[in-house]
Amino acid sequence: SQTIHQWPATLVQPVGSPLSLECTVEGTSNPNLYWYRQAAGRGLQLLFYSVGIGQISSEVPQNLSASRPQDRQFILSSKKLLLSDSGFYLCAWSDYRAPSLFGPGTRLTVL
Amino acid sequence: SQQGEEDPQALSIQEGENATMNCSYKTSINNLQWYRQNSGRGLVHLILIRSNEREKHSGRLRVTLDTSKKSSSLLITASRAADTASYFCATDAIGAGTASKLTFGTGTRLQVTL
Repeated sequence: SQTIHQWPATLVQPVGSPLSLECTVEGTSNPNLYWYRQAAGRGLQLLFYSVGIGQISSEVPQNLSASRPQDRQFILSSKKLLLSDSGFYLCAWSDYRAPSLFGPGTRLTVL
Repeated sequence: SQQGEEDPQALSIQEGENATMNCSYKTSINNLQWYRQNSGRGLVHLILIRSNEREKHSGRLRVTLDTSKKSSSLLITASRAADTASYFCATDAIGAGTASKLTFGTGTRLQVTL
């Protein structure tokens, strides 16, 4: 069965600092991977998705970027964090036929 | 942009009552999924209904899908206090290439009181 790992679980960073959140998937190959952000008390916003190594699609223009250096690794980054980047970041796996699986999330607070 | 919208935004019921949440979406879909999120936690997948299905059951959950109206409903029967959570629908539409791309609604916050 598939599992998704995210780290760190929580993160407090100052404004202007860099960011790197990592997501890894086990039990599947060539997955479609996704990054979502959830602001406090809000729904989920799709940030990026990837159908393969080095293939990244961005849903909204913003201060973040994503990379997929390996088949089962998806990284969310920023060079300089903004206050508005605070939120709950979720990585997810999906394919055309199967239900999606979400990671446990990373709670990011930018001060 | 958000594909789906849940209705109502918040729902408060007593234990034992049924809870019904609705979801509307805008574009053609391959499937629709419902998730639950306890406060500050990750999402838990509840049920998936494909575009060629009209109704699906899982335990106390019943999901319907009306593709002509682009809407779905989630019914939780005989609710329990432990059902208190936010519930989201997510639609799976074809994106670039062969990617399936989940887009979430804004969620319904369900409160079940004793």
